[in-house]
Amino acid sequence: GIQVEQSPPDLILQEGANSTLRCNFSDSVNNLQWFHQNPWGQLINLFYIPSGTKQNGRLSATTVATERYSLLYISSSQTTDSGVYFCAGANAGKSTFGDGTTLTVKP
Amino acid sequence: GAGVSQSPSNKVTEKGKDVELRCDPISGHTALYWYRQSLGQGLEFLIYFQGNSAPDKSGLPSDRFSAERTGGSVSTLTIQRTQQEDSAVYLCASSPSGPGELFFGEGSRLTVL
Repeated sequence: GIQVEQSPPDLILQEGANSTLRCNFSDSVNNLQWFHQNPWGQLINLFYIPSGTKQNGRLSATTVATERYSLLYISSSQTTDSGVYFCAGANAGKSTFGDGTTLTVKP
Repeated sequence: GAGVSQSPSNKVTEKGKDVELRCDPISGHTALYWYRQSLGQGLEFLIYFQGNSAPDKSGLPSDRFSAERTGGSVSTLTIQRTQQEDSAVYLCASSPSGPGELFFGEGSRLTVL
């Protein structure tokens, strides 16, 4: 099956800083998503982005499908951005998740 | 409802008892997934249903775990003779057509004493 590697595993930022999270896949995927898991455990959909670039407010994502990676950009981080960010990809059937990046934004 | 609904939200049981967890997907979604998340860990795939096709059961950790999906809608995950290592949050997701964009419920937290 597909292997998903996320980096960095942990990230600590001061409020207002920018960050980039990365997701590498061992094989081509035709479904790719980014999620934010909040402190209450709820998985929030951020982006469904098999290829290209999308933006939603302070967040944006880019997937380079031919090179099997995706990037999530967080600008002007806020304390409410804290939590775990997961990427997940599939090329047939089930989606495989990475181990996540734990983001802590300090006031 | 508008989103994926899971019940119960919390379940505490004794070792050896059977438990059933329920998932009601978004109306019209043909694909349904079960994942498990142990404390501080990532999401572990359990089983995937797509329409009338045979489910992908490749992630079920043992024969104590089973799942069914009735009428292409509601799904029940059953764990027989629960063990302490089964303690986790069990997450259900649905997508409009599989595979595709996943939408998760809030999960069922299972604690086995």
